[in-house]
Amino acid sequence: KQEVTQIPAALSVPEGENLVLNCSFTDSAIYNLQWFRQDPGKGLTSLLLIQSSQREQTSGRLNASLDKSSGRSTLYIAASQPGDSATYLCAPSGGGADGLTFGKGTHLIIQP
Amino acid sequence: EAQVTQNPRYLITVTGKKLTVTCSQNMNHEYMSWYRQDPGLGLRQIYYSMNVEVTDKGDVPEGYKVSRKEKRNFPLILESPSPNQTSLYFCASSLSGLAGTQYFGPGTRLTVL
Repeated sequence: KQEVTQIPAALSVPEGENLVLNCSFTDSAIYNLQWFRQDPGKGLTSLLLIQSSQREQTSGRLNASLDKSSGRSTLYIAASQPGDSATYLCAPSGGGADGLTFGKGTHLIIQP
Repeated sequence: EAQVTQNPRYLITVTGKKLTVTCSQNMNHEYMSWYRQDPGLGLRQIYYSMNVEVTDKGDVPEGYKVSRKEKRNFPLILESPSPNQTSLYFCASSLSGLAGTQYFGPGTRLTVL
């Protein structure tokens, strides 16, 4: 059964820093991997979807990489802003219909 | 606006009183699913549906029922709620199962006394 670990569990940094959030998973036979953002009391917003055949995806200040063979993905946030404060979740998919496996998330606080 | 909606957003009820949480999407997605989120346990899938009249169990289906009579709606039914079903519930949908981007609803916070 897939297990997903996200490190660090929490992170607090001043505005402007470049950040790296880490995600590791135990079963490398994934179909894709999604990164989500969750704001307090809100739903999940999809940030990036990386297919298993891809190495990385970019959207604005966000860049996600995937190393399927080693079971790792990283989310890079450039020039962080207070509005980036949220919990970030990664979720690999095995390709079947039976759901994403979520990590417990990285709680990120960007100090103004 | 493309979205997944859930109702109610907040609900306090008592043990044994049947309830339904509705989920609707306006994106013509075939795949829909329900998750619950609990502190320390993260998000876990309850049920999913590949298309109309096709549903299957996720990781934690006990105590829940679902139905998919129309493509846009996927209600979650708790026939006899218990306190251990107190949780934050999310509905999600996708155009192409788990191969595509998952769109989540805003969540329903359920408290069972």
